[in-house]
Amino acid sequence: AQSVTQLGSHVSVSEGALVLLRCNYSSSVPPYLFWYVQYPNQGLQLLLKYTTGATLVKGINGFEAEFKKSETSFHLTKPSAHMSDAAEYFCAVTSSGAGSYQLTFGKGTKLSVIP
Amino acid sequence: ETGVTQSPTHLIKTRGQQVTLRCSSQSGHNTVSWYQQALGQGPQFIFQYYREEENGRGNFPPRFSGLQFPNYSSELNVNALELDDSALYLCASSPDLGTGELFFGEGSRLTVL
Repeated sequence: AQSVTQLGSHVSVSEGALVLLRCNYSSSVPPYLFWYVQYPNQGLQLLLKYTTGATLVKGINGFEAEFKKSETSFHLTKPSAHMSDAAEYFCAVTSSGAGSYQLTFGKGTKLSVIP
Repeated sequence: ETGVTQSPTHLIKTRGQQVTLRCSSQSGHNTVSWYQQALGQGPQFIFQYYREEENGRGNFPPRFSGLQFPNYSSELNVNALELDDSALYLCASSPDLGTGELFFGEGSRLTVL
């Protein structure tokens, strides 16, 4: 079974400050890892993904995440927060083993950006 | 390119009733997944359809059922509604079984009274 833990249900940062959203996962097989963003009253949009290869992945809107196998982590960062980054962020894990790409999501972290 | 569309966007039902939610997948996508997102929670996997066959199911009872049609659109049916079924139901499509990158619709918000 796979699981995702997102530390902090709510994170507040000042505009221009570093954004760090934490995600730890549990998986018995090599994981595929994702960050999705959800704006109010909308569906989820993919920010970035890690499948294989380079462990530092870059996504849209200036976000990036680093896969650290030894720490079972996939934290999301952005050097400088913008007001438009205020949203809820979900980390998710799956694997290629079963042929069914069922995503297991964390409970989400709501990001607030203070002007 | 048309994205994933879901209908209805909002609906209210009473306990014991049945509901059907609909999803049109993104053009060229043959895989559809359904997720339930309760208030304040992350989405939970219900099931996935690949080329009209159920290809995986999460921990949901049999009263949650689905269909995928030849044009790859999909339905989610829930029988004998319970209060805990109140949630946002998200449909997502992908071009094939691929790598888990999903394209989500905006969801159908179901309220069960």
